[in-house]
Amino acid sequence: GAVVSQHPSWVICKSGTSVKIECRSLDFQATTMFWYRQFPKQSLMLMATSNEGSKATYEQGVEKDKFLINHASLTLSTLTVTSAHPEDSSFYICSARDKTILYNEQFFGPGTRLTVL
Amino acid sequence: GNSVTQMEGPVTLSEEAFLTINCTYTATGYPSLFWYVQYPGEGLQLLLKATKADDKGSNKGFEATYRKETTSFHLEKGSVQVSDSAVYFCALIAFTGGFKTIFGAGTRLFVKA
Repeated sequence: GAVVSQHPSWVICKSGTSVKIECRSLDFQATTMFWYRQFPKQSLMLMATSNEGSKATYEQGVEKDKFLINHASLTLSTLTVTSAHPEDSSFYICSARDKTILYNEQFFGPGTRLTVL
Repeated sequence: GNSVTQMEGPVTLSEEAFLTINCTYTATGYPSLFWYVQYPGEGLQLLLKATKADDKGSNKGFEATYRKETTSFHLEKGSVQVSDSAVYFCALIAFTGGFKTIFGAGTRLFVKA
């Protein structure tokens, strides 16, 4: 089946540093990947839609300069949290859409827990 | 716009009890509907799906039927186990929404032994 991986699974960093999170589709090509953020005991909030070879589309209220997204290939998208602060601590989940599946199901990665000290 | 509404939790049940988690949706056109499960500290796992009206998705004893007339996709299980304790998310994908997954707020289920 379709598998999406994320790396790292957890990261702790100091305030002011930047953190990169990778999202990979392991056995399918993903023209579109999505990045979500989840606060404790809350639902997933879509941050941005990442299309291979083009600029990401950010949801309202998400700072594009803060959360840099690069979708360099059909199997890899990266999210970089720049100048991270404690309020950026969260669970970040990516998903990837298999372009060959008609009903557009997305496959989710296992998530990356970011803690900013 | 497209949206998903699911019953608030937490839901607390005893083992072997019957489970229903209500989910209704608003969408233009014909969305695909999903239930995801999230165990503590983990990512989302697809539990079941339905892509057209009257389809029934089922997996691991859970089932849900796509009801277009009531715009609903209620999750049911006849006999829950302690291991079913998790957060359950109802979701939809619609063409009119740019194929973004729209999630409900999630319902936390606790099953007591």
